[in-house]
Amino acid sequence: GQNIDQPTEMTATEGAIVQINCTYQTSGFNGLFWYQQHAGEAPTFLSYNVLDGLEEKGRFSSFLSRSKGYSYLLLKELQMKDSASYLCAAPSDTGRRALTFGSGTRLQVQP
Amino acid sequence: ETGVTQSPTHLIKTRGQQVTLRCSSQSGHNTVSWYQQALGQGPQFIFQYYREEENGRGNFPPRFSGLQFPNYSSELNVNALELDDSALYLCASSFRQASTDTQYFGPGTRLTVL
Repeated sequence: GQNIDQPTEMTATEGAIVQINCTYQTSGFNGLFWYQQHAGEAPTFLSYNVLDGLEEKGRFSSFLSRSKGYSYLLLKELQMKDSASYLCAAPSDTGRRALTFGSGTRLQVQP
Repeated sequence: ETGVTQSPTHLIKTRGQQVTLRCSSQSGHNTVSWYQQALGQGPQFIFQYYREEENGRGNFPPRFSGLQFPNYSSELNVNALELDDSALYLCASSFRQASTDTQYFGPGTRLTVL
């Protein structure tokens, strides 16, 4: 089976940097996804990591350590519009073709 | 390029009724996956359709069923609605059926069961 854990809520200040952690347990590893979801809207794709290390995409970066079962999403120069839930997800290792999602981290950016 | 679309946006039903939700996949995508998202939770996988056949299923009872059409659009049907079925239903399309392929989500249908 798969298990994905993330903090429930985080608060940060506009202009700051925030790191959202995700730990996972899977019997087989097929990479890790991060999605952003604004309230009442669809999740939108942010990143997919399959190799160890940091991948940078503008203000957002995602890190993966396969040996530690750990990933984080780093958001720099926070803006008010970054207030959203951030979902960590792992592809199924059971042939179900699914993504298994964590419960999401709700980030509140304050002025 | 047209993204994933879903209809209706909102729906209110009563317990015991049946509901059909619809999804049009993103242009060029042949795979559709359906997820249920309860308030404050991450999406949970219901099933996936590829080439008009169910290609994988999560832990949902048989009263959750679906279809995929030749144009790759899809329907989710739920029979004998229960109060716990109240949720946001998300459809996601991808280029292939592999779970490692990036899935692109539609805006969802908010179902309320009274």
